[in-house]
Amino acid sequence: SQQGEEDPQALSIQEGENATMNCSYKTSINNLQWYRQNSGRGLVHLILIRSNEREKHSGRLRVTLDTSKKSSSLLITASRAADTASYFCATDALHGGGSNYKLTFGKGTLLTVNP
Amino acid sequence: EPEVTQTPSHQVTQMGQEVILRCVPISNHLYFYWYRQILGQKVEFLVSFYNNEISEKSEIFDDQFSVERPDGSNFTLKIRSTKLEDSAMYFCASRLEGRDRAYFGPGTRLTVT
Repeated sequence: SQQGEEDPQALSIQEGENATMNCSYKTSINNLQWYRQNSGRGLVHLILIRSNEREKHSGRLRVTLDTSKKSSSLLITASRAADTASYFCATDALHGGGSNYKLTFGKGTLLTVNP
Repeated sequence: EPEVTQTPSHQVTQMGQEVILRCVPISNHLYFYWYRQILGQKVEFLVSFYNNEISEKSEIFDDQFSVERPDGSNFTLKIRSTKLEDSAMYFCASRLEGRDRAYFGPGTRLTVT
């Protein structure tokens, strides 16, 4: 079954540095979404990139998608202590017939930004 | 930004009891989902719901689970006889079209004792 798998599992950086997280998946997707989760809290949607897009930006976030390699990356520039959280990629793909799409989450990357 | 809401935020129940988790999806959305996340683990798909029926369910979603959209606004997840391993955060999500961004609720933390 297809699945987003993030790499690394944990990342610790200093404030001001850039953080890069990677996601790999196995089968064709319609889009890929990145979410953030603070410990014990809800899922915050960060960005959606469609399968026909290669790069998207949103503020300090930059997401790339390489469908030939079945991989995506999330770059957070000029990180802040407040960026400390778990980051998940979720692949969105058709399951079965009709328009039955399903999001499948990876295990996440725990990002720690040290002040 | 539109919001999905969930109630209660935290539910404590005894093993074997029935629980109903409630969600109010965004009003014009057509696709509805339940996910769960056991503490420290990844978010797992439970069930998707469209056109008043289940469109897909995972292996986790066994006969103890059921979903309902009773009144056109609420979307509920019922667990008939809770087990200790049902303790998790349960997230509801909705979206307008199958390929759109999914909007997640804040979650209900279920603790089974």
